Amino acid sequence: EDQVTQSPEALRLQEGESSSLNCSYTVSGLRGLFWYRQDPGKGPEFLFTLYSAGEEKEKERLKATLTKKESFLHITAPKPEDSATYLCAVQAYSGAGSYQLTFGKGTKLSVIP
Amino acid sequence: DSGVTQTPKHLITATGQRVTLRCSPRSGDLSVYWYQQSLDQGLQFLIQYYNGEERAKGNILERFSAQQFPDLHSELNLSSLELGDSALYFCASSAPLDDRSGNTIYFGEGSWLTVV
Repeated sequence: EDQVTQSPEALRLQEGESSSLNCSYTVSGLRGLFWYRQDPGKGPEFLFTLYSAGEEKEKERLKATLTKKESFLHITAPKPEDSATYLCAVQAYSGAGSYQLTFGKGTKLSVIP
Repeated sequence: DSGVTQTPKHLITATGQRVTLRCSPRSGDLSVYWYQQSLDQGLQFLIQYYNGEERAKGNILERFSAQQFPDLHSELNLSSLELGDSALYFCASSAPLDDRSGNTIYFGEGSWLTVV
């Protein structure tokens, strides 16, 4: 069974204080690892897809990296508007031509001005 | 805006009742997914349809059913509702698998269901 564990569950940062969120996973046949951002009461917003170990992707203050067992979401000099829950998900083949996402429970990030 | 449209945004209903949630996928997307999100469980996959056919089932209760219509919109039917069914229900869609962007699943804003 595919498993995704995110840590920490919650993180409070001062504005400008860089940090990293962790996503560790066990999956048979990883097709991709996804990062989403979710604001309260809203739908998950797609951020990145990573496909192979060593791959990195960046968007503004966010950079996602991938190893064979985990992914990190690095946040550089965060701003209050970066406050959200960040979700990690692994995509794997589930049969009948279907690929499914298994989500972690997320890291709730709060950036204090 | 992801391009995935869900209605209604909020609904309150009584135990034992039945509700239907509606989803319009992004233009051109053939796959529709339904997810349930509750406070303690995180995002749980319910069911997937691809071009009108059921493709995969997750943790969907027998009281719940879904379908995808020829115009590709989808409905999730929840019946004999219980208090524990209160949650956010998300629809998501993705492009055809032979499309390079077919990996990415885009989510709607969700339907808040409260069962009282």
